[in-house]
Amino acid sequence: EVQLVESGGGLVKPGGSLRLSCAASGFIFRKAWMSWVRQAPGKGLEWVGRIKSKTDGGTKDYAAPVKGRFTISRDDSKNTLYLEMNSLKTEDTAVYYCSTDEGSSWGSPRLALDYWGQGTLVTVSS
Amino acid sequence: EIVMTQSPATLSVSPGERATLSCRASQSVSSTLAWYQQKPGQAPRLLIYGASTRATGIPARFSGSGSGTEFTLTITSLQSEDFAVYYCQQYNNWPPMYTFGQGTKLEIK
Repeated sequence: EVQLVESGGGLVKPGGSLRLSCAASGFIFRKAWMSWVRQAPGKGLEWVGRIKSKTDGGTKDYAAPVKGRFTISRDDSKNTLYLEMNSLKTEDTAVYYCSTDEGSSWGSPRLALDYWGQGTLVTVSS
Repeated sequence: EIVMTQSPATLSVSPGERATLSCRASQSVSSTLAWYQQKPGQAPRLLIYGASTRATGIPARFSGSGSGTEFTLTITSLQSEDFAVYYCQQYNNWPPMYTFGQGTKLEIK
């Protein structure tokens, strides 16, 4: 069974930093493309960024609102995905989900997000 | 940047009836279109990918169609558990990014 468990959310002041983690199990993590998606309170879904598997180049791509402030990384030895968030703004307040493209684990990305964690809440406020 | 527009914003349908949700892309996205269902307090659930392929475990009453810029999610014989918010999502090859529509709330009539 695929499981994604996010942690690290909390209250942070504007301009501050936070690191989120996502522990993965139930699939071949090192082969998977992993994404972060966020959802502001009462709003829709917003893709934050993605990291490909090392075998696919380990490429990192980001949405424009977070580029230069957020960094995605992965530790395949720990089956863990990270999101380092710096220079946080009030508009970054959201539930942050990690997710994966199941097809990427066997070399056929579906370009969709099959599995999601339960999310972790980040609140940026003074 | 590709913009995904969903309509209507809210759709009221009676249980047992059919619901048709629309998603329009500002430019062609081929068939890299997915649909998700989200219930309050829960993470989204993938329903459809590749515009028309049901994800694992998704009931046959959910179907997707379309290509290019116009896509449709159809839910036949609505069950009580189907009332939720639905999002479409496209994948752009360059620059690489996923873009979601703003969502359609499917409510009980």
